[in-house]
Amino acid sequence: ILNVEQSPQSLHVQEGDSTNFTCSFPSSNFYALHWYRWETAKSPEALFVMTLNGDEKKKGRISATLNTKEGYSYLYIKGSQPEDSATYLCASHSGTYKYIFGTGTRLKVLA
Amino acid sequence: DSGVTQTPKHLITATGQRVTLRCSPRSGDLSVYWYQQSLDQGLQFLIQYYNGEERAKGNILERFSAQQFPDLHSELNLSSLELGDSALYFCASSPKTSGYNEQFFGPGTRLTVL
Repeated sequence: ILNVEQSPQSLHVQEGDSTNFTCSFPSSNFYALHWYRWETAKSPEALFVMTLNGDEKKKGRISATLNTKEGYSYLYIKGSQPEDSATYLCASHSGTYKYIFGTGTRLKVLA
Repeated sequence: DSGVTQTPKHLITATGQRVTLRCSPRSGDLSVYWYQQSLDQGLQFLIQYYNGEERAKGNILERFSAQQFPDLHSELNLSSLELGDSALYFCASSPKTSGYNEQFFGPGTRLTVL
């Protein structure tokens, strides 16, 4: 994988559902993987910075895991709420200090 | 409010012109990053400065340049503007240059080239 790919592109879930999305990134020269939450008409907000293979991070109902050997990260949202509606972006940071962003997963939580 | 400020919020100009976008990082942050968000593309990393020095270059056109001043604010200069340069330009800052640091994004400058 040369680019950062996120799936699905968009997702609609009911309030209370749990959901997850995937970020695939180049596994060579891996340095860090960033997750951001981006609400409409606002700017991206950092969720997690993940660096080690097997890393798991949690912030409230949102958690993320990292597999650097196979080049993927999962973001999980437990018990989705309407305020979780946003675009979730991941960005791969390589040893050359360049950041490559995925195109995001647009989540809509229906009340 | 992330603590990162960007001016102006909106900018409308004509093709061929030159504009300067300004960014003030969070207090104490030494790294500044510039990003471009075009209509049909994801967020594109342009350039990073750390404590006044260029640290990394991404997909930045030759018509674009940036600098970081001793007071750590940064400016992105866009010249010979084309219609395709219309985009949302974000600045972000972090405490150090390491990719382990969270980045804090400013509100963005929306550039419209007519």
